[in-house]
Amino acid sequence: DGGITQSPKYLFRKEGQNVTLSCEQNLNHDAMYWYRQDPGQGLRLIYYSQIVNDFQKGDIAEGYSVSREKKESFPLTVTSAQKNPTAFYLCASSIGGAINEKLFFGSGTQLSVL
Amino acid sequence: QKEVEQDPGPLSVPEGAIVSLNCTYSNSAFQYFMWYRQYSRKGPELLMYTYSSGNKEDGRFTAQVDKSSKYISLFIRDSQPSDSATYLCAMSGQGAQKLVFGQGTRLTINP
Repeated sequence: DGGITQSPKYLFRKEGQNVTLSCEQNLNHDAMYWYRQDPGQGLRLIYYSQIVNDFQKGDIAEGYSVSREKKESFPLTVTSAQKNPTAFYLCASSIGGAINEKLFFGSGTQLSVL
Repeated sequence: QKEVEQDPGPLSVPEGAIVSLNCTYSNSAFQYFMWYRQYSRKGPELLMYTYSSGNKEDGRFTAQVDKSSKYISLFIRDSQPSDSATYLCAMSGQGAQKLVFGQGTRLTINP
């Protein structure tokens, strides 16, 4: 089945620790995205990538880092600089990255602080 | 002021009722309008997609766009308990760098 796989489903971070969220897609999509979802708020864009080895900051990139070494993979690292990391993180992809394209989402990772 | 405003609810209605979900926006350049449905602790999935103004119908779902009022709606007819979810509006337009999402409305359909 084609789709987007996020892992782990739940993740706990200790203070001062960096953690990495995994996102893999087998849809052969060029564009991939990371969103953060907080209760009662919409999805906020953290980073996006339209091509391998290139990515752009979204609205809330501070405290996060990404890489795009392979077309299928777009991992997100939540660094210790992110002081309020507790949220539901969603990875998405689209065919080419145009603003009118449908987004396909993974099932999300819930990150909590110990 | 947020670019897209959506009443977060929660909204609770009996099975079979007609549900109306709404979003307002401020950017007159928006021309692509979408509704995503998100079940609890899952990723959103695209439900309806509309370009510019007008109506679009798909089964029990109807999406309406009124660009003159900067207002979009999603109607659900003969609502079912399986429609219980959070509904997110999203929109973009020429010159925009990204899709802008509303806060999401949590909907519960009671049997």
